[in-house]
Amino acid sequence: KAGVTQTPRYLIKTRGQQVTLSCSPISGHRSVSWYQQTPGQGLQFLFEYFSETQRNKGNFPGRFSGRQFSNSRSEMNVSTLELGDSALYLCASSFIGPRLASTDTQYFGPGTRLTVL
Amino acid sequence: AQSVTQLDSQVPVFEEAPVELRCNYSSSVSVYLFWYVQYPNQGLQLLLKYLSGSTLVKGINGFEAEFNKSQTSFHLRKPSVHISDTAEYFCAVRGANAGGTSYGKLTFGQGTILTVHP
Repeated sequence: KAGVTQTPRYLIKTRGQQVTLSCSPISGHRSVSWYQQTPGQGLQFLFEYFSETQRNKGNFPGRFSGRQFSNSRSEMNVSTLELGDSALYLCASSFIGPRLASTDTQYFGPGTRLTVL
Repeated sequence: AQSVTQLDSQVPVFEEAPVELRCNYSSSVSVYLFWYVQYPNQGLQLLLKYLSGSTLVKGINGFEAEFNKSQTSFHLRKPSVHISDTAEYFCAVRGANAGGTSYGKLTFGQGTILTVHP
């Protein structure tokens, strides 16, 4: 099975611009979570999607948004970029069974490294 | 809400020596516990997890961890490290409901950089 894929792997933007990152989960996985990783703040949870619905959200401003499509692929968007948004953005997928029981393992992609100049 | 504290930001060790990476957590609900490893310019790879049952869990690459509920700890150990174990290690916790279904949000510690010297 192919792992979690994220595109693009690297991105350079300037302040004020917006950016969209993409994540394709492992085949059969219906839950996708996003995390931001920075040297200062470490790994922080952004949001989680399941069945095209956001079911959990971290403490980030409204400039950070996401969505999930019917094929479970997910995108996250950051508008009006700030220098502090420079980070590695990680996507993780997990399997959710028919009774909504999770295998509890999140499989991570390689990340998208965003640099804001 | 949960929080995780990794007690050492950096751990240097010589090859073939044992190592312990310490992790303490805080939570008002039952939790699941995880250790992930991150190699440079890569994502996170799961080493092992504790969901329930035996408090000693074994993972990949010879790592193991012990869940201690009274001390709210989940320390990671390896009896003999290799140069290839040099990486950053993250302890993480997720809340679990009474039915065993967990929620998506992982709370991570700040990470421990393990450096194995020849």
